[in-house]
Order: sequence, then structure tokens, then C-alpha cells
Amino acid sequence: GNSVTQMEGPVTLSEEAFLTINCTYTATGYPSLFWYVQYPGEGLQLLLKATKADDKGSNKGFEATYRKETTSFHLEKGSVQVSDSAVYFCALKKGQAGTALIFGKGTTLSVSS
Amino acid sequence: EAQVTQNPRYLITVTGKKLTVTCSQNMNHEYMSWYRQDPGLGLRQIYYSMNVEVTDKGDVPEGYKVSRKEKRNFPLILESPSPNQTSLYFCASGTSGNTGELFFGEGSRLTVL
Repeated sequence: GNSVTQMEGPVTLSEEAFLTINCTYTATGYPSLFWYVQYPGEGLQLLLKATKADDKGSNKGFEATYRKETTSFHLEKGSVQVSDSAVYFCALKKGQAGTALIFGKGTTLSVSS
Repeated sequence: EAQVTQNPRYLITVTGKKLTVTCSQNMNHEYMSWYRQDPGLGLRQIYYSMNVEVTDKGDVPEGYKVSRKEKRNFPLILESPSPNQTSLYFCASGTSGNTGELFFGEGSRLTVL
């Protein structure tokens, strides 16, 4: 079945460090892939997405490339800020009908100054 | 402002006392869904609705009911809450289609004693 696996956290970094959060998926067909972010006390919000192989999603300095050959969608940022501290969820879109998402378990990022 | 609104945001109740968590969206979205978020388990889908009067079970529907009488509203009903339903609940809405983005409410933290 469809599933998403992302690296366990928490991830603790200093400000301006490079960030990678790994995400791999299992799916039939050609799913769309997403990264959502959850800031403390808030709901999830879309960070970026990619809808086909080799697409690169980007937003707020974050990037992720849809790699079909490795079934991966790793999240990267060149220089993190304290304000990036949040929980990050990788997700895939399940099936052709509807918009149900399958989420990974989330990775907590903590950035210190 | 486009938003998904959930109420209540926080609730403490006792086992067996029926409760309803309301969800309303103002974006005219066809699709709505409920998720629960638990530590170490990420987000799991409870129920979803493709449109008015069309609802279906997600991955963890036991102990929950939903209804979709109007396009904007999608209440989550716990007929007889139990302690294992203590969780953080999120309502989400979106357009249909494989690349659809989901918009989340701010969450409802429920404690069942």
C-alpha cells in the first residue's frame, strides 16, 4: 500500500546550519508529494509540493525534488533560522480521486541562536 | 480571509458524554476531512467527505461519526468518548483532484477522562 517514511527527530541545529530531512515513499502510480509545516500551537500549512518526477518544489528557502528513481522527496534548506523551528510532515496524495493525504510521522526541528 | 474554523479549540470531558467538534470552511471546497494527531503516530485520517451527503471512512473511524449536510460544515461526533480518543484533532478542506492542497484548521485538543 501507499506509505511515507521520514527521518525520526528531533533534529537540533544552530542558526545558519544546513538542513536535510529525509523522506521516502511507497506508492503505486504517480503520486503528488508535499511538505507541510506545523508551527507550535497551529495547524498544518503547505510548505511546498511537487506533482511529477524531477519537479522541484520551493518556498521560503526550502526545496525538495521529486526523485522517482529513489522514491524520495528530501527537504533541504541552506541556512536555517530560529523561526524555522517547527514540525515538518512529508505527505503523498493517495489515489486519483479526492484529496486524501498520507502523512509521515513528522520530524521536529529545533533551531537555536 | 480563507480559513477552516474548528470549535472548541480545547475540551476536557468525561467518558461517555457525547460531544461534537464543529468544522466550517469558507472556500467552497468539495472535500473535507478529519485527522487525529498522536505522538509517534503522526496524522491519521478518521473520516472524509467528497461532497454534500457523501462521507467515507478513513484509517481510524472507530468511535466517530460525521455528517455533511451543507458544503461548508463537517462536524465530528463522538457518541460515547473514551480515554483512547484523547488526541489533537484537525479538520481540513480542499479541492478535488490529484494535486489538491489541503487547508487545515488550528486543531481541537480533546481530553477524555
